[in-house]
Amino acid sequence: DAMVIQNPRYQVTQFGKPVTLSCSQTLNHNVMYWYQQKSSQAPKLLFHYYDKDFNNEADTPDNFQSRRPNTSFCFLDIRSPGLGDAAMYLCATSRDLGGRDYGYTFGSGTRLTVV
Amino acid sequence: AQKITQTQPGMFVQEKEAVTLDCTYDTSDPSYGLFWYKQPSSGEMIFLIYQGSYDQQNATEGRYSLNFQKARKSANLVISASQLGDSAMYFCAMREAYLAAGNKLTFGGGTRVLVKP
Repeated sequence: DAMVIQNPRYQVTQFGKPVTLSCSQTLNHNVMYWYQQKSSQAPKLLFHYYDKDFNNEADTPDNFQSRRPNTSFCFLDIRSPGLGDAAMYLCATSRDLGGRDYGYTFGSGTRLTVV
Repeated sequence: AQKITQTQPGMFVQEKEAVTLDCTYDTSDPSYGLFWYKQPSSGEMIFLIYQGSYDQQNATEGRYSLNFQKARKSANLVISASQLGDSAMYFCAMREAYLAAGNKLTFGGGTRVLVKP
């Protein structure tokens, strides 16, 4: 089945040690998003790719970077994770239909723990 | 200002009863879309229902229906005949069409629903 896959499901990283989270999709959607969701909070958009164009949210810390080498894959890099970066990271995709689309497909998320 | 507001942080509902989850939104964009998602404790975000700003009829998907009151800027989710598996966090979200590069989705704070047997 076409889907959005995030690896790993759980990631433990050391304080300050760079970590990469990955997302792949078989939907051929042209837009990919990364959301950060802290405990009991709403998901917060970090950035998104529209095709190859990178769009950063104004309040996303510089510590967070992203790469999209091709349509199918998108990576979230945290250069120096702090304790405050512990969260669920959700990848999502959508197909831009010029204004009307029926939803976004989310991956299962990667739960990041910083020790 | 909050774009999406969910005023109920948590609620209990008896199994087999209906429950209404509130959502109000704020936008000046005439073209927008409203979504409801369910997030179980496992973390995945499950799409439930969609309402477009120009849709004349309220959206329905099985046991889920959306009470869309455009003038009041509200989009409440109604879950009929609640089941134990409906226990989860529910998020209301909005997409505004102004953004040319991608359809950005903004979430409300969520409502945690616990269905009691």
